[in-house]
Amino acid sequence: AIRMTQSPSSLSASTGDRVTITCRASQGISSYLAWYQQKPGKAPKLLIYAASTLQSGVPSRFSGSGSGTDFTLTISCLQSEDFATYYCQQYYSYPQTFGQGTKVEIK
Amino acid sequence: QVQLQESGPGLVKPSQTLSLTCTVSGGSISSGSYYWSWIRQPAGKGLEWIGRIYTSGSTNYNPSLKSRVTISVDTSKNQFSLKLSSVTAADTAVYYCARGFISGPAYYFDYWGQGTLVTVSS
Repeated sequence: AIRMTQSPSSLSASTGDRVTITCRASQGISSYLAWYQQKPGKAPKLLIYAASTLQSGVPSRFSGSGSGTDFTLTISCLQSEDFATYYCQQYYSYPQTFGQGTKVEIK
Repeated sequence: QVQLQESGPGLVKPSQTLSLTCTVSGGSISSGSYYWSWIRQPAGKGLEWIGRIYTSGSTNYNPSLKSRVTISVDTSKNQFSLKLSSVTAADTAVYYCARGFISGPAYYFDYWGQGTLVTVSS
């Protein structure tokens, strides 16, 4: 199975900050990468697919980039509702696998 | 708007079979371009894909769970179901059903149920 490694595992930031989360795949996955946001007690929510395509309804302050093995999720101006855990997921091959998550906390 | 809702027992005894059903509303489970999946998340941990089914009934399971998992579909009820046999405490988790949007080799998950906690305990 392809291993997805996110960094950092957690970070502290303030409202208005620019935040970047990295996801690395153990082998090339082209652009078959999705990002999800999960708040406590809630299901994950799709933010980005195909590495950089914003899901309908997701604010434009979220953006994704990368291809091959290295990917980033950027939140350009952190809002209070963005404090959550973020997961990447590869859908290049079975089984689909997720990163371990990055928790974005309030500084 | 597609909605998914999990249902089933919240407590299962060790060695028994966990059974959950996902009811889909706002769209037909028989629509093309989608796989219907189960994903789980132990408390405080990450997400693990369990398996998926297509409207035709074809399935694919995570190799780590394959020997214990069965996923089935009932298109007349717009539902799909999960059975996980011989459960242990390690199977305690929140179980999500989700719709997989087929893209390229596999799929990403665009709609999720709210999740249901299943505890394995005697």
